[in-house]
Amino acid sequence: QITLKESGPTLVKPTQTLTLTCTFSGFSLSTSGVGVGWIRQPPGKALEWLALIYWNDDKRYSPSLKSRLTITKDTSKNQVVLTMTNMDPVDTATYYCAHTDQLLFQFDYWGQGTLVTVSS
Amino acid sequence: QSALTQPASVSGSPGQSITISCTGTSSDVGGYNYVSWYQQHPGKAPKLMIYDVSNRPSGVSNRFSGSKSGNTASLTISGLQAEDEADYYCSSYTSSSTLENVVFGGGTKLTVL
Repeated sequence: QITLKESGPTLVKPTQTLTLTCTFSGFSLSTSGVGVGWIRQPPGKALEWLALIYWNDDKRYSPSLKSRLTITKDTSKNQVVLTMTNMDPVDTATYYCAHTDQLLFQFDYWGQGTLVTVSS
Repeated sequence: QSALTQPASVSGSPGQSITISCTGTSSDVGGYNYVSWYQQHPGKAPKLMIYDVSNRPSGVSNRFSGSKSGNTASLTISGLQAEDEADYYCSSYTSSSTLENVVFGGGTKLTVL
């Protein structure tokens, strides 16, 4: 059974750096074709893809946010970490991590999401 | 403004069929067969309903089907049930030069009357 769970701060101040951790089980991020991505959703708004890391450490980023994002993995801990710099109130959103396996940016298992509020 | 265009809302009565459209361009929907659809109930995480335009993951009802024509993808739900009431999002793989990306639609709220 594949599960993912996001963790991190619920409140960050403008200009701070956000660090989110996705802890997963039921699959290995060293298996060929497997990836973990991050997607966010501002309150009442649409989904927005942020980043994706593959089993071979290949990384992809949203072109509009690329300069602010870093995604890394720790295969031994079954974790993927996303950092986003220079946070702004418009970054307030629920952040999801999600699994993909040979599905090319399509995500078949999602975490429950974590709401991050950016406010001073 | 989302990259893919969906109607804001659709509605239907139990037992009826509805179709949700998702319009993009030749750089995304029209250029690749990597269109997916997600169902999201209030306060819940999205659930993958369709991938690769028309494939259903294991466990998804065959009342859900997907198709594509040109730059527009469609999700059809037949035999509407109350539990189908949710928000639906389409997404498409897109690539330009060396940049890979995935774009989402703005979402469609399905109301079962």
